[in-house]
Amino acid sequence: AQTVTQSQPEMSVQEAETVTLSCTYDTSESDYYLFWYKQPPSRQMILVIRQEAYKQQNATENRFSVNFQKAAKSFSLKISDSQLGDAAMYFCAYRDDKIIFGKGTRLHILP
Amino acid sequence: DTEVTQTPKHLVMGMTNKKSLKCEQHMGHRAMYWYKQKAKKPPELMFVYSYEKLSINESVPSRFSPECPNSSLLNLHLHALQPEDSALYLCASTKTGGSEVVMNTEAFFGQGTRLTVV
Repeated sequence: AQTVTQSQPEMSVQEAETVTLSCTYDTSESDYYLFWYKQPPSRQMILVIRQEAYKQQNATENRFSVNFQKAAKSFSLKISDSQLGDAAMYFCAYRDDKIIFGKGTRLHILP
Repeated sequence: DTEVTQTPKHLVMGMTNKKSLKCEQHMGHRAMYWYKQKAKKPPELMFVYSYEKLSINESVPSRFSPECPNSSLLNLHLHALQPEDSALYLCASTKTGGSEVVMNTEAFFGQGTRLTVV
């Protein structure tokens, strides 16, 4: 069965600094997608970034980028120039016929 | 329109009540999902409908009964719930379901229904 592991329950970063959230996963599939979702206090799930497993190039979306290491089954999220609005729970997710979430990392932004 | 709309936003029900949660999307997505999320926990998959057919049931108790009347609508019928069923219920949709892996395959989520069972 596929699993997603986020080993950092909470993290803090100073505003305007850079932070990296870790995620590892386990699968025997070769084609799949990986995502980072953000869930602010409103509890709306918001897609931050996606990565197709067949693409070697790391995805980027403005201040958000990933480090995708397929052989190591690692998918970390880097947030640059952290802003107060980035404070939220971040979930790493894996998709084939289901979408499976890691336990989440709560990110605090320190002013 | 990239919205998934869930109603009601809040629901309080007694253990003997019957109620339904509704989820609607007009993006032409053919897979729809129900998740249950307790506070400070990740969403847990309950059901997946793919092309209006139930494709995954994650051993959910029968007091939860899903229904997919058409490709745009997903219901979750609730009956004889327990207080521990109180949670946020999230609906999501994706362009395709099953083992098809295509571009733009992320899930779009509704805002959820906050359910309290008393």
